Amino acid sequence: GAGVSQTPSNKVTEKGKYVELRCDPISGHTALYWYRQSLGQGPEFLIYFQGTGAADDSGLPNDRFFAVRPEGSVSTLKIQRTERGDSAVYLCASSQTHGGEAFFGQGTRLTVV
Amino acid sequence: QKEVEQNSGPLSVPEGAIASLNCTYSDRGSQSFFWYRQYSGKSPELIMFIYSNGDKEDGRFTAQLNKASQYVSLLIRDSQPSDSATYLCAVNLRTGANNLFFGTGTRLTVIP
Repeated sequence: GAGVSQTPSNKVTEKGKYVELRCDPISGHTALYWYRQSLGQGPEFLIYFQGTGAADDSGLPNDRFFAVRPEGSVSTLKIQRTERGDSAVYLCASSQTHGGEAFFGQGTRLTVV
Repeated sequence: QKEVEQNSGPLSVPEGAIASLNCTYSDRGSQSFFWYRQYSGKSPELIMFIYSNGDKEDGRFTAQLNKASQYVSLLIRDSQPSDSATYLCAVNLRTGANNLFFGTGTRLTVIP
């Protein structure tokens, strides 16, 4: 597609439930990033993929968070046992080259009630 | 010290003036520097990137990088009300790394 696509755009879930957030990067972009943004804050780095492998997952807050990119294209961010503090906008970005310009999707607004 | 620091503002400038946005970063080995614009409720939009010391101009925007001072700035000439947004500074903090760190953003308001 022309840009980074994220689904769903909004997700409301109950505390303790499991959620999956999907990111479809720009075609041909090998680097994919997940960020989390809370109101009034800049995007907070979660994880970076180069191809199929997680090159850096140092930003994942705890073991309830996990992400995959099995074929080097679409990525899924998975959150187990959601907590109210997980509520935020989850942003995905992709870039073509190592250290190159990253382009963002429109984000998924997650609300845990 | 945070990896990437920005003055959160708000910064208000009159229409037609120059808006100056500043950012400092902690890792001297950083290689790539980006400015994103984010309108309220929208995702960040890349507007400028700079890799080398000095100035880089693109239309009304100029990015300035000083690696010795670990400082990057964005100038917006002839500011327009449509420039009102939050401007995010982003830095690749470590050579060879691809994890992009963001500042908290500076909120700019251009007053008609």
